[in-house]
Amino acid sequence: SQQGEEDPQALSIQEGENATMNCSYKTSINNLQWYRQNSGRGLVHLILIRSNEREKHSGRLRVTLDTSKKSSSLLITASRAADTASYFCALPPNGANNLFFGTGTRLTVIP
Amino acid sequence: NAGVMQNPRHLVRRRGQEARLRCSPMKGHSHVYWYRQLPEEGLKFMVYLQKENIIDESGMPKERFSAEFPKEGPSILRIQQVVRGDSAAYFCASSPQGSNEKLFFGSGTQLSVL
Repeated sequence: SQQGEEDPQALSIQEGENATMNCSYKTSINNLQWYRQNSGRGLVHLILIRSNEREKHSGRLRVTLDTSKKSSSLLITASRAADTASYFCALPPNGANNLFFGTGTRLTVIP
Repeated sequence: NAGVMQNPRHLVRRRGQEARLRCSPMKGHSHVYWYRQLPEEGLKFMVYLQKENIIDESGMPKERFSAEFPKEGPSILRIQQVVRGDSAAYFCASSPQGSNEKLFFGSGTQLSVL
């Protein structure tokens, strides 16, 4: 399979807590991306991490990548109700310009 | 700079009819991707096109589905003789010059087959 698998499928936390979601994959990659989807809307690109990077930050987002374990994690710190959405990891297969999406983690942040 | 535009937003068809979904990429983007999403599921890749070329259609059903991206005008995803199982949200995304490092998505077309 060329797509990633997110874990957990659903996550419910209180506002202010941190949210961690994971993505595992099977193929070789040159980068891994995370996207957010609000209900009924298109996806929005959040962050990209390259295969030679181990960690990357963007605002309240922190992404890690472990290519030896073929896994990535997305951490959202100090969560807000507005972070409620589905989060997907996306993998471009090596040598191709396509992009495959995982199954998603549905995050609910309770005010 | 307008984003990726998809229309219609909602499309209702009866079984056996044809559905035509349109996607206008962001200005300057020459590559378009189509994805299908069933309720509570992830996005399934369907087809990846460059202007006047289909680059990868490995995710598209062999029958009833076709896609094009002409030199002028929007990309079209066409579904002939729709069946209830075609009901889904169809998303289009675009990227500049075939870079897959950041896709820009439209708001999708929700297809309902009665």
